[in-house]
Amino acid sequence: KAGVTQTPRYLIKTRGQQVTLSCSPISGHRSVSWYQQTPGQGLQFLFEYFSETQRNKGNFPGRFSGRQFSNSRSEMNVSTLELGDSALYLCASSPSPESSYEQYFGPGTRLTVT
Amino acid sequence: AQSVTQLGSHVSVSEGALVLLRCNYSSSVPPYLFWYVQYPNQGLQLLLKYTTGATLVKGINGFEAEFKKSETSFHLTKPSAHMSDAAEYFCVGTSYNQGGKLIFGQGTELSVKP
Repeated sequence: KAGVTQTPRYLIKTRGQQVTLSCSPISGHRSVSWYQQTPGQGLQFLFEYFSETQRNKGNFPGRFSGRQFSNSRSEMNVSTLELGDSALYLCASSPSPESSYEQYFGPGTRLTVT
Repeated sequence: AQSVTQLGSHVSVSEGALVLLRCNYSSSVPPYLFWYVQYPNQGLQLLLKYTTGATLVKGINGFEAEFKKSETSFHLTKPSAHMSDAAEYFCVGTSYNQGGKLIFGQGTELSVKP
């Protein structure tokens, strides 16, 4: 089975712009979670989706949003980018909500905001 | 609130020596605990997991960890370090009522000297 894929792998944006990141889960996996990784804050949970519905949300401002499509693919959007949004954004998938604690991670999207 | 603390942001061992990475957790409910490894510019790979049952869990690449409720610990060990073990290791926790929200420790960077 192919693993979790994330596109693009690298992205450079300017402060004030918006960005959309994409995640395709492992085939058959229906839950998708997103995390932000920075040197200062480490790995922090952003949100989790199942069946196109957000099940769980971390402590991030409303500029961070996401969605999930009927094929389980997910996107996250960050509007009005700030320098502090520079990070590695990781997506993870799991087979179902009952096993959502067991997550398989993609390689991440490295976002640089200048 | 649930939290995970890794003791030591950097650990250095010689090739062939014992690897011991320390992790303590706090949780008001029975925790699920994991160790993940991250190689440079890559996503996270699951090494091992504890949910219920046997408290000594074995993972990939010769790693194992023991859940000790009395000590609220979940330390990661490997009898003999290889150069290829050099990476960053994350202790991660969640519980049955957290859905897909994983709580990450700060990470421990493991260096292996020849």
